[in-house]
Amino acid sequence: GENVEQHPSTLSVQEGDSAVIKCTYSDSASNYFPWYKQELGKRPQLIIDIRSNVGEKKDQRIAVTLNKTAKHFSLHITETQPEDSAVYFCAASSSGFNDYKLSFGAGTTVTVRA
Amino acid sequence: GAGVSQSPSNKVTEKGKDVELRCDPISGHTALYWYRQRLGQGLEFLIYFQGNSAPDKSGLPSDRFSAERTGESVSTLTIQRTQQEDSAVYLCASSLSTYSYEQYFGPGTRLTVT
Repeated sequence: GENVEQHPSTLSVQEGDSAVIKCTYSDSASNYFPWYKQELGKRPQLIIDIRSNVGEKKDQRIAVTLNKTAKHFSLHITETQPEDSAVYFCAASSSGFNDYKLSFGAGTTVTVRA
Repeated sequence: GAGVSQSPSNKVTEKGKDVELRCDPISGHTALYWYRQRLGQGLEFLIYFQGNSAPDKSGLPSDRFSAERTGESVSTLTIQRTQQEDSAVYLCASSLSTYSYEQYFGPGTRLTVT
């Protein structure tokens, strides 16, 4: 099955700086890569996703890049703000008829220092 | 519209007791997933339902765990003879279909086994 590794496990950045989280996956058939943000005590929420037919996607201060050859994808948050403090999870899934499961990374706890 | 809801939000039970957790997916979502999240860890897939197809139970950790879903609506996750290692947050998610990918999470049920 799919194995997703996520680094770093914790990340502390100064407000206004950038944060980068990296994930690798093992199944070359995976073609959908979402990122979820989970604030303390709350449910995970999708913040951005990318499919394997594109290499980069941006949404305001958030961007995701995908390198299918190397089987890794990254989340970039620019101009970080205190409200960006949360746990971020990457995940991977493939599009086969029975391949619906998201395999999640272990999470990165991001702390934005004011 | 209404999101995914789960009940109870918190459950404290004694070791050896059975518990039942409930999930109400978003109306019209045919796919429903259960995940387990232990403290400080990522999301662990448990079981998946898609319409009237047989559920994929491959993530259930033991035969003490079972789940049912009535059509494309409510699902219940049952844990029999609970153990302390079952303590976790149990998250339910739903998606429009297998192919729509985006999963919307409920708030979770925090289970504590004493």
